Amino acid sequence: AQSVTQLDSQVPVFEEAPVELRCNYSSSVSVYLFWYVQYPNQGLQLLLKYLSGSTLVKGINGFEAEFNKSQTSFHLRKPSVHISDTAEYFCAVSQMGGSYIPTFGRGTSLIVHP
Amino acid sequence: DTAVSQTPKYLVTQMGNDKSIKCEQNLGHDTMYWYKQDSKKFLKIMFSYNNKELIINETVPNRFSPKSPDKAHLNLHINSLELGDSAVYFCASSQAPTTEAFFGQGTRLTVV
Repeated sequence: AQSVTQLDSQVPVFEEAPVELRCNYSSSVSVYLFWYVQYPNQGLQLLLKYLSGSTLVKGINGFEAEFNKSQTSFHLRKPSVHISDTAEYFCAVSQMGGSYIPTFGRGTSLIVHP
Repeated sequence: DTAVSQTPKYLVTQMGNDKSIKCEQNLGHDTMYWYKQDSKKFLKIMFSYNNKELIINETVPNRFSPKSPDKAHLNLHINSLELGDSAVYFCASSQAPTTEAFFGQGTRLTVV
């Protein structure tokens, strides 16, 4: 079984400030990791993914995430946020070699203030 | 072209009715899913389906059933709708080995 914990339900930040959204997971086997973004009244869109290789993953819209196996974390970061980054962010995990049913965290609402 | 499309976008219906939500993907993916998103934004997997296997989340009431006429379609049928079924339902698809899921725009179901 696998699980995902997003430690912050809401993260308020001012425009142009850096932000980190935290994600921890648990799994008995190796995993694939994902971050998705959901803008209001829309479906989820992939931001970035970690499958293998370099632990620092770059995604769309200036976001990046770092896979830390020892801490079972996959935190999302952006050095300077924009108003348009205001959205819900979901971390997800699926098990390598499994039937691939991703488990999602409960989401973190990023609120960017002017 | 929309990769994963679902209809209708909004659905308002009375308790006890039976309704369906349609989903189509043009990505050639083998696996499709239905998710339920509640008012607190929590995403819960309901079904995972490919041409070989249906995986059902055991917590989903049997009033919900997926129907797949072909690989590109996975419709969701709901019988005897209840107030607690009100939520946003998302269809998604994926194709290993890239494994990320592509989501539709969602169907907001309101049961009155």
